Order: sequence, then C-alpha cells, then structure tokens
Amino acid sequence: DTGVSQDPRHKITKRGQNVTFRCDPISEHNRLYWYRQTLGQGPEFLTYFQNEAQLEKSRLLSDRFSAERPKGSFSTLEIQRTEQGDSAMYLCASGPRRGRGETQYFGPGTRLLVL
Amino acid sequence: DAKTTQPPSMDCAEGRAANLPCNHSTISGNEYVYWYRQIHSQGPQYIIHGLKNNETNEMASLIITEDRKSSTLILPHATLRDTAVYYCIVRVGVQGAQKLVFGQGTRLTINP
Repeated sequence: DTGVSQDPRHKITKRGQNVTFRCDPISEHNRLYWYRQTLGQGPEFLTYFQNEAQLEKSRLLSDRFSAERPKGSFSTLEIQRTEQGDSAMYLCASGPRRGRGETQYFGPGTRLLVL
Repeated sequence: DAKTTQPPSMDCAEGRAANLPCNHSTISGNEYVYWYRQIHSQGPQYIIHGLKNNETNEMASLIITEDRKSSTLILPHATLRDTAVYYCIVRVGVQGAQKLVFGQGTRLTINP
C-alpha cells in the first residue's frame, strides 16, 4: 500500500454513460498525475496537477475527459459519453515537490469496462 | 525524455540474482534513470532511481555505466513474488510535469 487510494476499483458501464473516478493522494504530496493503461501496454500520461492547478494535459485527454483537483487535495477524473475504447485501467500517482529526482507513487487503479 | 530499450521477457530461478538490462543511449546529463515494476492487475510500484552513481535500497540495486548509456537493475535474491513487468524510465529531474513515459518493459518470470 503506497498511501494513494482510488475509488472505485472496478467500474462497468454502458456506452454513452458518464463515469467519475476519485483519487486520494498521499497527504503531503502536492503533485498529482493521472495515467491510463490499456491491456498489454505500459501506462500513458493523461494529465498533471500541481496543487489545484492543472498544468499539463496529454493529447489523449479528449473533450469528453475532465479532471479536477479542488483545494489541491483529492482529484476526480470524469469521462462523459463513454465509448468502448475508454475501457482501460485508470491510474493515479502522487509525488512531492522536490525539484530533482521526484518519485511518483501509484494507487491501485480503477479498471473501467465499457459495454 | 530519452527512449529506453529493454528485452521483452526474461526468466530467473528462485533464489538467484535477477539482472535486468536497460539501454538509454540518448540520455541527457540531467536525466534520471527510474525503475518501476507492475505486478498483474496492480498499480506500478517504485523500485529505485539514480543519476550517475550506483544505488542500493532494500528492494534492489541499480548499476549505471560510466557513460550512462545503459543500466542494470539487480534483484539479489529473486522470489516468486518478484514476477512482474519491470519498466526502465529516464526522466528529467527538474521543475515541470515530470511525467513518466513507460515503454513495454521486461516481463520477468521467476521460476521455482
């Protein structure tokens, strides 16, 4: 257990529905990352927060995706109008602000299946 | 971030040392080498990282060549629970997003 928690751990939804995932980072960490991992591939970066500010978004993050981190604590990732191609493991990671050699600690992930 | 090359799979006997190689020939002077592993259906687990010098912690040792173009992760006494996909990542260790760029990794199987 790294101290990063994600909820839910599994989600099954029908195409076209909206889903929201939550990530609770390690409390003293001000950096928070979302990644997506499809079967047989390594995780891919989606977006990054420093405190409450979303500072970078990947091209993978289409208009249907939105992420927030109110008050710089927990974060949510919402997918609107889900598609079958959204089926993946969604991973959250947090890290301290050290400036050099930062280590990211990952949560257990939320596995999404879109039917 | 520099690209890394790892063998797709490796086998090792339980109790022996597992040596996982990684090539990063285009690494820059300020890029760190990170190793993570991912056991089936879990989130990636941080193992170790280094810049120039060799590093050791309770999980593993990291040997970085003098020219920094390659490195080796050593699990000194592999157990069945070390079976996982191991990712070698190089990343700039300065201000910024510092996102991790994962490759395909090495699937390490520890055999009894």
